Amino acid sequence: QQQVKQSPQSLIVQKGGISIINCAYENTAFDYFPWYQQFPGKGPALLIAIRPDVSEKKEGRFTISFNKSAKQFSLHIMDSQPGDSATYFCAASLNSGYALNFGKGTSLLVTP
Amino acid sequence: SQTIHQWPATLVQPVGSPLSLECTVEGTSNPNLYWYRQAAGRGLQLLFYSVGIGQISSEVPQNLSASRPQDRQFILSSKKLLLSDSGFYLCAWSPVGRAIYGYTFGSGTRLTVV
Repeated sequence: QQQVKQSPQSLIVQKGGISIINCAYENTAFDYFPWYQQFPGKGPALLIAIRPDVSEKKEGRFTISFNKSAKQFSLHIMDSQPGDSATYFCAASLNSGYALNFGKGTSLLVTP
Repeated sequence: SQTIHQWPATLVQPVGSPLSLECTVEGTSNPNLYWYRQAAGRGLQLLFYSVGIGQISSEVPQNLSASRPQDRQFILSSKKLLLSDSGFYLCAWSPVGRAIYGYTFGSGTRLTVV
Protein backbone atom coordinates (compact mmCIF):
# COMPACT_ATOMS: atom_id res chain seq x y z
CA GLN A 1 0.00 0.00 0.00
CA GLN A 2 1.48 3.27 -1.17
CA GLN A 3 1.28 5.66 1.77
CA VAL A 4 2.64 8.60 -0.19
CA LYS A 5 1.47 9.36 -3.71
CA GLN A 6 3.71 11.50 -5.90
CA SER A 7 3.04 13.21 -9.22
CA PRO A 8 3.97 13.71 -11.95
CA GLN A 9 6.08 10.67 -12.78
CA SER A 10 8.20 12.76 -15.12
CA LEU A 11 8.60 16.46 -15.79
CA ILE A 12 10.36 18.53 -18.44
CA VAL A 13 11.03 22.19 -17.68
CA GLN A 14 12.97 24.81 -19.56
CA LYS A 15 15.94 26.47 -17.95
CA GLY A 16 14.77 29.33 -15.76
CA GLY A 17 11.30 27.89 -15.31
CA ILE A 18 9.57 26.62 -12.18
CA SER A 19 9.45 22.90 -11.46
CA ILE A 20 6.58 21.71 -9.29
CA ILE A 21 6.24 18.22 -7.82
CA ASN A 22 3.26 17.23 -5.72
CA CYS A 23 2.75 14.63 -3.02
CA ALA A 24 -0.23 13.47 -1.01
CA TYR A 25 -0.40 11.30 2.08
CA GLU A 26 -3.10 9.46 3.97
CA ASN A 27 -1.79 8.96 7.49
CA THR A 28 -2.65 12.07 9.50
CA ALA A 29 -0.12 11.00 12.13
CA PHE A 30 2.79 11.69 9.78
CA ASP A 31 4.75 14.67 11.02
CA TYR A 32 7.97 14.81 9.04
CA PHE A 33 8.11 15.42 5.30
CA PRO A 34 11.50 15.37 3.55
CA TRP A 35 12.44 15.59 -0.09
CA TYR A 36 15.36 13.65 -1.53
CA GLN A 37 17.29 14.28 -4.74
CA GLN A 38 18.90 11.42 -6.65
CA PHE A 39 21.33 11.65 -9.55
CA PRO A 40 21.78 8.65 -11.87
CA GLY A 41 23.81 5.85 -10.32
CA LYS A 42 23.88 7.51 -6.92
CA GLY A 43 21.94 7.16 -3.70
CA PRO A 44 19.32 9.76 -2.79
CA ALA A 45 20.44 12.75 -0.74
CA LEU A 46 18.32 14.88 1.58
CA LEU A 47 17.37 18.13 -0.13
CA ILE A 48 14.92 19.86 2.20
CA ALA A 49 12.38 18.87 4.84
CA ILE A 50 9.39 20.35 6.63
CA ARG A 51 7.40 19.76 9.79
CA PRO A 52 3.60 20.25 9.79
CA ASP A 53 3.71 23.24 12.11
CA VAL A 54 4.77 25.48 9.21
CA SER A 55 3.14 25.96 5.81
CA GLU A 56 6.27 26.78 3.85
CA LYS A 57 10.01 26.33 4.02
CA LYS A 58 12.51 27.84 1.64
CA GLU A 59 16.15 27.01 1.09
CA GLY A 60 17.70 28.83 -1.82
CA ARG A 61 15.78 27.98 -4.98
CA PHE A 62 13.93 25.10 -3.31
CA THR A 63 10.63 25.62 -1.46
CA ILE A 64 8.31 23.15 0.24
CA SER A 65 4.66 24.14 0.52
CA PHE A 66 2.59 22.18 3.04
CA ASN A 67 -1.20 21.95 3.28
CA LYS A 68 -2.10 20.00 6.39
CA SER A 69 -5.88 20.06 5.85
CA ALA A 70 -5.52 18.70 2.33
CA LYS A 71 -2.76 16.27 3.36
CA GLN A 72 -0.61 17.51 0.52
CA PHE A 73 2.83 18.96 0.13
CA SER A 74 4.83 20.08 -2.85
CA LEU A 75 8.34 20.98 -3.95
CA HIS A 76 8.92 24.09 -6.02
CA ILE A 77 12.24 24.60 -7.78
CA MET A 78 12.59 28.21 -8.86
CA ASP A 79 14.83 29.23 -11.74
CA SER A 80 15.36 25.58 -12.65
CA GLN A 81 18.82 24.72 -13.99
CA PRO A 82 20.10 21.79 -16.08
CA GLY A 83 22.06 20.70 -13.01
CA ASP A 84 18.74 20.16 -11.22
CA SER A 85 17.96 17.30 -13.61
CA ALA A 86 17.53 14.33 -11.28
CA THR A 87 14.91 12.13 -9.69
CA TYR A 88 13.09 13.67 -6.74
CA PHE A 89 11.41 11.66 -4.00
CA CYS A 90 9.02 12.95 -1.40
CA ALA A 91 8.64 11.04 1.84
CA ALA A 92 6.63 11.09 5.02
CA SER A 93 7.10 9.57 8.41
CA LEU A 94 6.26 9.64 12.05
CA ASN A 95 8.58 11.83 14.06
CA SER A 96 9.29 8.92 16.35
CA GLY A 97 9.60 6.35 13.60
CA TYR A 98 12.48 4.64 11.88
CA ALA A 99 11.21 4.21 8.35
CA LEU A 100 10.59 6.81 5.72
CA ASN A 101 7.64 6.18 3.40
CA PHE A 102 8.72 7.30 -0.05
CA GLY A 103 6.74 8.34 -3.08
CA LYS A 104 7.53 6.67 -6.39
CA GLY A 105 9.70 9.53 -7.56
CA THR A 106 9.63 12.21 -10.26
CA SER A 107 12.19 12.30 -13.02
CA LEU A 108 12.96 15.96 -13.74
CA LEU A 109 14.70 17.09 -16.91
CA VAL A 110 15.64 20.74 -17.24
CA THR A 111 16.41 21.63 -20.84
CA PRO A 112 18.94 24.35 -21.75
CA SER B 1 32.88 12.76 9.57
CA GLN B 2 30.62 9.85 8.87
CA THR B 3 30.83 7.83 5.68
CA ILE B 4 28.91 4.89 4.34
CA HIS B 5 30.42 2.30 2.04
CA GLN B 6 28.44 -0.12 -0.06
CA TRP B 7 29.76 -2.75 -2.45
CA PRO B 8 29.86 -4.00 -5.07
CA ALA B 9 28.60 -1.21 -7.29
CA THR B 10 27.26 -3.59 -9.92
CA LEU B 11 26.56 -7.29 -9.89
CA VAL B 12 25.24 -9.75 -12.45
CA GLN B 13 24.15 -13.06 -10.98
CA PRO B 14 22.40 -16.11 -12.44
CA VAL B 15 19.02 -17.22 -11.16
CA GLY B 16 19.40 -19.57 -8.23
CA SER B 17 22.78 -18.26 -7.13
CA PRO B 18 23.42 -16.80 -3.65
CA LEU B 19 23.79 -13.12 -2.88
CA SER B 20 25.74 -11.13 -0.36
CA LEU B 21 25.80 -7.33 -0.35
CA GLU B 22 27.75 -5.52 2.31
CA CYS B 23 27.41 -2.09 3.84
CA THR B 24 29.62 -0.46 6.45
CA VAL B 25 29.44 2.87 8.21
CA GLU B 26 32.40 4.78 9.62
CA GLY B 27 32.62 7.64 12.05
CA THR B 28 29.62 6.87 14.23
CA SER B 29 28.46 4.37 16.81
CA ASN B 30 25.25 2.38 17.10
CA PRO B 31 23.70 3.72 13.90
CA ASN B 32 20.30 2.70 12.64
CA LEU B 33 20.87 0.76 9.41
CA TYR B 34 18.54 0.19 6.49
CA TRP B 35 18.30 -1.74 3.25
CA TYR B 36 16.09 -0.29 0.52
CA ARG B 37 15.35 -1.56 -2.96
CA GLN B 38 14.62 0.73 -5.85
CA ALA B 39 12.82 -0.73 -8.83
CA ALA B 40 11.84 1.21 -11.92
CA GLY B 41 8.52 2.98 -11.37
CA ARG B 42 8.16 1.70 -7.83
CA GLY B 43 10.15 4.14 -5.79
CA LEU B 44 12.11 3.19 -2.72
CA GLN B 45 10.94 0.13 -0.83
CA LEU B 46 12.20 -0.50 2.70
CA LEU B 47 13.36 -4.11 3.03
CA PHE B 48 15.01 -4.28 6.44
CA TYR B 49 16.13 -2.02 9.23
CA SER B 50 18.24 -2.57 12.32
CA VAL B 51 18.53 -0.55 15.51
CA GLY B 52 21.34 -2.66 16.99
CA ILE B 53 23.58 -5.70 16.59
CA GLY B 54 21.51 -8.78 15.87
CA GLN B 55 18.25 -6.78 15.75
CA ILE B 56 16.63 -7.00 12.34
CA SER B 57 13.15 -5.90 11.37
CA SER B 58 11.73 -7.10 8.08
CA GLU B 59 9.26 -4.90 6.27
CA VAL B 60 8.50 -7.03 3.24
CA PRO B 61 8.38 -10.85 3.21
CA GLN B 62 10.55 -12.06 0.36
CA ASN B 63 13.51 -14.05 -0.83
CA LEU B 64 16.01 -11.89 1.05
CA SER B 65 17.44 -11.75 4.56
CA ALA B 66 19.60 -9.30 6.46
CA SER B 67 22.13 -9.60 9.23
CA ARG B 68 24.09 -7.20 11.40
CA PRO B 69 27.12 -9.07 12.72
CA GLN B 70 28.90 -5.92 13.90
CA ASP B 71 27.75 -2.50 15.06
CA ARG B 72 28.49 -0.75 11.79
CA GLN B 73 28.08 -3.63 9.32
CA PHE B 74 24.87 -4.58 7.57
CA ILE B 75 24.62 -7.48 5.13
CA LEU B 76 21.86 -8.34 2.67
CA SER B 77 21.71 -11.96 1.58
CA SER B 78 19.81 -14.46 -0.45
CA LYS B 79 20.25 -18.21 -0.74
CA LYS B 80 18.74 -18.41 -4.22
CA LEU B 81 18.17 -15.36 -6.37
CA LEU B 82 15.03 -14.89 -8.43
CA LEU B 83 14.63 -12.78 -11.55
CA SER B 84 12.39 -10.49 -9.54
CA ASP B 85 15.28 -9.69 -7.19
CA SER B 86 16.85 -7.49 -9.84
CA GLY B 87 17.01 -3.84 -8.84
CA PHE B 88 19.05 -1.09 -7.27
CA TYR B 89 19.82 -1.85 -3.63
CA LEU B 90 20.59 0.98 -1.29
CA CYS B 91 21.99 0.88 2.20
CA ALA B 92 21.35 3.82 4.50
CA TRP B 93 22.12 4.86 8.04
CA SER B 94 20.76 7.37 10.52
CA PRO B 95 21.95 8.48 13.95
CA VAL B 96 20.60 6.84 17.07
CA GLY B 97 17.82 8.95 18.54
CA ARG B 98 17.32 10.90 15.32
CA ALA B 99 16.31 8.04 13.08
CA ILE B 100 14.34 9.69 10.35
CA TYR B 101 16.10 13.03 10.32
CA GLY B 102 19.53 11.90 9.34
CA TYR B 103 19.06 9.38 6.57
CA THR B 104 22.27 9.03 4.55
CA PHE B 105 22.27 6.64 1.64
CA GLY B 106 25.16 4.72 0.17
CA SER B 107 25.90 4.81 -3.54
CA GLY B 108 23.95 1.64 -4.22
CA THR B 109 24.42 -1.76 -5.87
CA ARG B 110 22.88 -2.43 -9.26
CA LEU B 111 21.87 -6.12 -9.21
CA THR B 112 20.85 -7.87 -12.38
CA VAL B 113 19.66 -11.44 -12.10
CA VAL B 114 19.88 -13.31 -15.40
